[in-house]
Amino acid sequence: EAGVAQSPRYKIIEKRQSVAFWCNPISGHATLYWYQQILGQGPKLLIQFQNNGVVDDSQLPKDRFSAERLKGVDSTLKIQPAKLEDSAVYLCASSFPKTSPELFFGEGSRLTVL
Amino acid sequence: KQEVTQIPAALSVPEGENLVLNCSFTDSAIYNLQWFRQDPGKGLTSLLLIQSSQREQTSGRLNASLDKSSGRSTLYIAASQPGDSATYLCAATIWGSTLTFGKGTMLLVSP
Repeated sequence: EAGVAQSPRYKIIEKRQSVAFWCNPISGHATLYWYQQILGQGPKLLIQFQNNGVVDDSQLPKDRFSAERLKGVDSTLKIQPAKLEDSAVYLCASSFPKTSPELFFGEGSRLTVL
Repeated sequence: KQEVTQIPAALSVPEGENLVLNCSFTDSAIYNLQWFRQDPGKGLTSLLLIQSSQREQTSGRLNASLDKSSGRSTLYIAASQPGDSATYLCAATIWGSTLTFGKGTMLLVSP
């Protein structure tokens, strides 16, 4: 079974530039999550999708962050304009709650904002 | 708001030792608690998931326990090996909400 795929693995940008991250969840997983993990911290939920609908985006900085999950499969997380404090690893995870609440994570996309 | 705390922040042990990692949470109305492993530069790998109705789960040399009344979970690693070196994170889910993570315990097992 293929795992959660994320790209790019690494991205370096200047502040005020924009960046986009892509995630393809495990096939059949209805729930998709984007987490932000700052160095030395635990992951923090940015947004949770159930199919193509948003379940929770209460911690998403909506003035600069946006996410979509068209067709209820893969998802894109965008940051525009980026700030220095956005430097972090962006983790995508998926789950199929009907069978198990267990989350499966991708390898993450590491963003450095200069 | 659920808060999750992990102690210690870092731990160094010689190979072969048994060890315990601690996780505490503030809201006892949890739905489940998960333990994850994170290797440097990698994503998270799920190790064990304990449902609210369960007291413990075991997988190989790993055993996780859950005590909702005291707001604690422990991850026991038996006969530690250098390959166990990683950061271990616990995450609690309360009803109607999503995972809240601790900051993790960085484990180093030396040969």
